[in-house]
Amino acid sequence: KNQVEQSPQSLIILEGKNCTLQCNYTVSPFSNLRWYKQDTGRGPVSLTIMTFSENTKSNGRYTATLDADTKQSSLHITASQLSDSASYICVVSGRGGSQGNLIFGKGTKLSVKP
Amino acid sequence: ETGVTQSPTHLIKTRGQQVTLRCSSQSGHNTVSWYQQALGQGPQFIFQYYREEENGRGNFPPRFSGLQFPNYSSELNVNALELDDSALYLCASSSPNRDRVSGPQYFGPGTRLTVL
Repeated sequence: KNQVEQSPQSLIILEGKNCTLQCNYTVSPFSNLRWYKQDTGRGPVSLTIMTFSENTKSNGRYTATLDADTKQSSLHITASQLSDSASYICVVSGRGGSQGNLIFGKGTKLSVKP
Repeated sequence: ETGVTQSPTHLIKTRGQQVTLRCSSQSGHNTVSWYQQALGQGPQFIFQYYREEENGRGNFPPRFSGLQFPNYSSELNVNALELDDSALYLCASSSPNRDRVSGPQYFGPGTRLTVL
């Protein structure tokens, strides 16, 4: 069964600290993996998208890694800010072109405290 | 801002009623996908429209139906509303690349539907 599992479910860190969020998936065949940031009650905003041939991609203070062999991805946030408080969702796309192949994780809820 | 707009932002309905949600896609995007997101959960795929035709459907009953117009805007219709339909409904637009794999999806702000 195609699944995307994220950990931890929630995380509290102090402003300025770094953190790493994890995503494990069993989607096959694999096309790409995306990380989204979702503020409460808002739509998700794309942070990174990686195909199987890419193993790292950065977007400002966000760096995503991908190991297609172990089917694991991580999102590293550097020097966290209060505005980083949000849910971070990992989404894996299977091949085929249909959006029905997008498998969403349940997200990691990050709280950054002053 | 992604350029994807949704209306209304909030809606309250009673069980058994019907609702229509609207989405305007980002300029240049011909594909619109709809998702249902329950509180504390990840989005669940409802269906996708590509050039006015349904192009994939998730595990939702037929009372969830959709439409895409020539300008690529879209509607989601839900009949016979149930309490469990209460959720944030997200619309996302994208444009398939040359390999017919959709590129990054751009989500709208969502419509919060409450069914009483």
